[in-house]
Amino acid sequence: EAQVTQNPRYLITVTGKKLTVTCSQNMNHEYMSWYRQDPGLGLRQIYYSMNVEVTDKGDVPEGYKVSRKEKRNFPLILESPSPNQTSLYFCASSLAQGYGYTFGSGTRLTVV
Amino acid sequence: RKEVEQDPGPFNVPEGATVAFNCTYSNSASQSFFWYRQDCRKEPKLLMSVYSSGNEDGRFTAQLNRASQYISLLIRDSKLSDSATYLCVVNESGTYKYIFGTGTRLKVLA
Repeated sequence: EAQVTQNPRYLITVTGKKLTVTCSQNMNHEYMSWYRQDPGLGLRQIYYSMNVEVTDKGDVPEGYKVSRKEKRNFPLILESPSPNQTSLYFCASSLAQGYGYTFGSGTRLTVV
Repeated sequence: RKEVEQDPGPFNVPEGATVAFNCTYSNSASQSFFWYRQDCRKEPKLLMSVYSSGNEDGRFTAQLNRASQYISLLIRDSKLSDSATYLCVVNESGTYKYIFGTGTRLKVLA
């Protein structure tokens, strides 16, 4: 089944404790992206990647890191999480620019 | 002005009704347009792409008006299962930037 897989689905952590949210797609898509979704603000892009080893900042990159060492994986790293990073996170992939996204099931992160 | 704007709703409609949503965008260079559906606490799912000539998929019709910079989604014969939030997405030409509207909430009532 063609899909984007995110893990974990739910995570509660403490301020400052490094964490990684994994994202993997099995559709050989070039383009991958991370979004956060907050009430009233909609989906905002954190980082995106056009291909292996090619990444760029989205609208809200502060406090996040990404890497794209393999085409299928695009992990999101929070080096020192803070409570304002409490949010619902989605990973997404698409075949190329101009194509629609397939989203992962989301990761609900709470930072206390 | 927001880059992509949608009326948040909710639109409460009876089963069988026809309902239409609009979404305006500010960048005239925008190239690709999409409608997504999102159920509560779930991931957005692609409903349809929006083409310049307009397109239809069953009960759903999408239109693009470049002159006025808006896209629309028409749902005919609404079903209870159509209740969801509908997100408008715009991709700027030559970029990998996809901008999401904050969504329009639809409730179809029995």
